[in-house]
Amino acid sequence: QSVLTQPPSVSGAPGQRVTISCTGSSSNIGAGYDVHWYQQLPGTAPKLLIYGNSNRPSGVPDRFSGSKSGTSASLAITGLQAEDEADYYCQSYDSSLSGGVFGTGTKVTVL
Amino acid sequence: QVQLQESGPGLVKPSETLSLTCTVSGGSISSYYWSWIRQPAGKGLEWIGRIYTSGSTNYNPSLKSRVTMSVDTSKNQFSLKLSSVTAADTAVYYCAREGYYYDSSGYHGGNFDYWGQGTLVTVSS
Repeated sequence: QSVLTQPPSVSGAPGQRVTISCTGSSSNIGAGYDVHWYQQLPGTAPKLLIYGNSNRPSGVPDRFSGSKSGTSASLAITGLQAEDEADYYCQSYDSSLSGGVFGTGTKVTVL
Repeated sequence: QVQLQESGPGLVKPSETLSLTCTVSGGSISSYYWSWIRQPAGKGLEWIGRIYTSGSTNYNPSLKSRVTMSVDTSKNQFSLKLSSVTAADTAVYYCAREGYYYDSSGYHGGNFDYWGQGTLVTVSS
């Protein structure tokens, strides 16, 4: 049961910029909990892409960036590449669940 | 490099108990939270619960009545049991480490920095 809402799909041409929104509530993002983002390529486990709202793990290209404001967060991909075609999930902590919650997921298509 | 590997039966009969183990290599299991996450085919991710190396647990309220997690620090392993399974429990099950870091504002945790490759569990007679 996802409590973080994402658009089902976004698309863009190579080189373009796309953004993915993640909308939560006062018991998760709005309560000040960090938002993290994951990239899931077909048939593979999710990979941590952004942690702590805007930090990139070592090895993640700086084309990926994250931000958070109020009860929402966003992931931006600039200079879109074919290899970025994947599913993307946001994730945070929810105090009413006392645990992690994921977004509904967004499929990014490179046109 | 930390690596996680899930193991357990790929087929479980309805009403029986699903049992999985995650083996951690390349690092110590100590001082971290360890989670189980599942993903039905073509659907999103669902957090099942987590266990600390002390044995303290948190479970997703929607599954709490059926979930039990345990940890064996001597073997660098942690486990999941899900009872009374139905077809709705068919999914790829992942184990993951909950990473953390410190900055000027203090402790930050809750991100899943290492994942197992996942194991498909099918509930069917």
